[in-house]
Amino acid sequence: DAGITQSPRHKVTETGTPVTLRCHQTENHRYMYWYRQDPGHGLRLIHYSYGVKDTDKGEVSDGYSVSRSKTEDFLLTLESATSSQTSVYFCAISESGAHEQYFGPGTRLTVT
Amino acid sequence: KQEVTQIPAALSVPEGENLVLNCSFTDSAIYNLQWFRQDPGKGLTSLLLIQSSQREQTSGRLNASLDKSSGRSTLYIAASQPGDSATYLCAVRRRDSSYKLIFGSGTRLLVRP
Repeated sequence: DAGITQSPRHKVTETGTPVTLRCHQTENHRYMYWYRQDPGHGLRLIHYSYGVKDTDKGEVSDGYSVSRSKTEDFLLTLESATSSQTSVYFCAISESGAHEQYFGPGTRLTVT
Repeated sequence: KQEVTQIPAALSVPEGENLVLNCSFTDSAIYNLQWFRQDPGKGLTSLLLIQSSQREQTSGRLNASLDKSSGRSTLYIAASQPGDSATYLCAVRRRDSSYKLIFGSGTRLLVRP
């Protein structure tokens, strides 16, 4: 298995609070991704990174920001959580944009 | 806009059957296609990556085929086992600078003992 960890694995938070999810990889892959998975919508890309300090938006980026200060870490921040952001969040990595993506175990976030 | 469809949404078969899962996509301009497996409450496990120039790719009891011109891929599972029970997702990678993956909604497979 690719060395990808996500923390926390579960989180319950209140509407309006900031939340940061962390993805950590030990594979030294250049690309990192954040997805959310929801019933009826499948997996959707939030943001991705193609190098340290290089990030771009995915299809559902509103309300989310990301940062990547080191190759191994990619942070996803919800500045002010809303109930619509209740979801399972997955991090993924790949050597390049065209290579296989490998997924982390996921973080289940509940916003009450 | 690329759309990826997987039919059926759910499938139940007895152990030992050979089965085919279908994936269709609307835009043939893809870079490659990736099949994943997802167990309940878990992340996605990559099964096979098939390049746009390839017709098929094999790994153990799994065989994926790709027909770009018709916008279709199939995942063939030979001699199914209860341990194969999971949701199977296909995703196509766009042939542009973003290389973004577009996912289908998956086929939920149950292999009955």
